[in-house]
Amino acid sequence: NAGVTQTPKFQVLKTGQSMTLQCAQDMNHEYMSWYRQDPGMGLRLIHYSVGAGITDQGEVPNGYNVSRSTTEDFPLRLLSAAPSQTSVYFCASRSGTVSYEQYFGPGTRLTVT
Amino acid sequence: ELKVEQNPLFLSMQEGKNYTIYCNYSTTSDRLYWYRQDPGKSLESLFVLLSNGAVKQEGRLMASLDTKARLSTLHITAAVHDLSATYFCAVVIMDSNYQLIWGAGTKLIIKP
Repeated sequence: NAGVTQTPKFQVLKTGQSMTLQCAQDMNHEYMSWYRQDPGMGLRLIHYSVGAGITDQGEVPNGYNVSRSTTEDFPLRLLSAAPSQTSVYFCASRSGTVSYEQYFGPGTRLTVT
Repeated sequence: ELKVEQNPLFLSMQEGKNYTIYCNYSTTSDRLYWYRQDPGKSLESLFVLLSNGAVKQEGRLMASLDTKARLSTLHITAAVHDLSATYFCAVVIMDSNYQLIWGAGTKLIIKP
């Protein structure tokens, strides 16, 4: 049971480039989400999904797209990278039991120059 | 606006001492989570507090929730160096598919 996996671990992009951050989970969780973490600001929700084919925006969705074609995978696409998107990105999946506890991937550290 | 405020944001303490981290939030919620993050690492779940008056303990850490005061505390007893980390609280937004709003984190350094 690998839990939540993310690739890549590190990435450097130039302004204007696009890329996809990969996220997968093997816990059969319906709910998955993407956060960004910036110093001193906690985590902010980018997008989330409550099941395959269903996605919605979080607090800071601009500049990012998501899709959910399977229960396992939830990729995050940066359409045209900007320096303001330099951050650490975490994918999480959530238990469907009463606790609704979230489990986090190892993170992707993204630098946009 | 829904806010989650942690204090202090930074805490340096000696081993063996006791201290409390506070998490205040600005709207009604009935569940709260505490997570730990080591430098350069991911977030690890510590406690899930599901109701008013909930108290949970694991080793030297104890968390409690007072939903009427909109306050949770994370108490550290006889701190040891291994507890050095950043601690986050997160509050569920009611009627929102259980989305979370996060505090800014408390960076805890415990000196030998």
